[in-house]
Formats: sequence, C-alpha cells, structure tokens
Amino acid sequence: DAMVIQNPRYQVTQFGKPVTLSCSQTLNHNVMYWYQQKSSQAPKLLFHYYDKDFNNEADTPDNFQSRRPNTSFCFLDIRSPGLGDAAMYLCATSREDSSYEQYFGPGTRLTVT
Amino acid sequence: AQKITQTQPGMFVQEKEAVTLDCTYDTSDPSYGLFWYKQPSSGEMIFLIYQGSYDQQNATEGRYSLNFQKARKSANLVISASQLGDSAMYFCAMRGHVTDKLIFGTGTRLQVFP
Repeated sequence: DAMVIQNPRYQVTQFGKPVTLSCSQTLNHNVMYWYQQKSSQAPKLLFHYYDKDFNNEADTPDNFQSRRPNTSFCFLDIRSPGLGDAAMYLCATSREDSSYEQYFGPGTRLTVT
Repeated sequence: AQKITQTQPGMFVQEKEAVTLDCTYDTSDPSYGLFWYKQPSSGEMIFLIYQGSYDQQNATEGRYSLNFQKARKSANLVISASQLGDSAMYFCAMRGHVTDKLIFGTGTRLQVFP
C-alpha cells in the first residue's frame, strides 16, 4: 500500500544533542510537510517543500532545519534540541491542488532528556 | 488571513447516537477545501472527509457527513451511530487555493461511552 513512513516512531535525545527524524513516501506526491504537535494542541507547520522549493514558516526557530534529497525522502534536523522541543513530529504529503488531502505518517514522538 | 475555529474542546456521546462537531472558518480565498481529520491516542492523523467550496452537495463518507453552510462559513462534522472506536481528537482544517498549507482548528476531543 502507498503510504507515508516515519522513522523512528519514538526518539529519545539529550539536551543539545543533534537529532534527525526521517520521512519517506511511496505516494509520489510533490509536496511534503513537517509539523510539530505538542500535547492537546493542533499541529503546527514548521516548513514544507513544493518539489525542491523549501518554504519556511516565519516563526519556525533556526534550530530546525530540513532536507529533501529526492521526491521520496524528507528529513527534519534539530540542531540543538531543548526541553521545549519535546513533541510529536508529523510528516505529511499531498498533491499541490487544494482539493487533495494531506496524508500523514504515524509520527515520531521526541523526548528530550 | 485564514482561520479555523472549533469551539467545543470536548464532547461526550453515547454509543450508537449521532454527534455533531462544530467548525467555522474564515478566508478571503474564493476557492478552498475543508477537511476533517481524526487523531486517536496513537497520534496518527487520519483523513475522514473533504468538502470543496464549490461543491453543491454535502460530502458523505460512510458514517461521516459534513454539514456545509457556505453563507455561515461553517463545516460541521456529523458522525452517525457512534462507536467506542470513535473516541479521539477531531481536527477541522482548511486549505486555500493559492496555498499549499493546511490551517488547523484547535480540535475537539470526542468521548463515546457505552
């Protein structure tokens, strides 16, 4: 089945230690998104790629970076995680038309110790 | 600016009853899409139903239907014959024609009891 895959599902990192979360998709969608979701809150968009064009949200901290080496893969790098970065990180994909839903991966739950 | 408002932080419903989750929106885009997602405690966002702004009929998907009232800018989700497995967080979201971004509401936590 075509899907969005996120690895790992659970990640524990130390304060200040860089961490990378990965997302892959078999849907061949040209748009990929990274969201941060804290407990009992709505997902917050960090950035998205339209093909290779990177679109950063104005309030996304510089601590968060992303890479999309090809259509299928997208990575979220947190350069120096703080305790406030503990959250669920959701990857999603879609086609570019507004009528198409976003398909979400299962998420990576990040713990910072 | 686009905005989604969900005024019900929590809802309770008895099994087999119907429940309506409210959603209102604001946008200046003439063309947009409205979505509902379900998020169980496992964390995955599950797409439920879509309504296009130019669709004449309300969307339906199995037990889910969307009560779309364009003039009132509302897009309420109706779940018929609630099941225990429907207990989850429900998010209303909107995507404009000129943007790739999905704007989410704050969510409604639905609890179905026997």
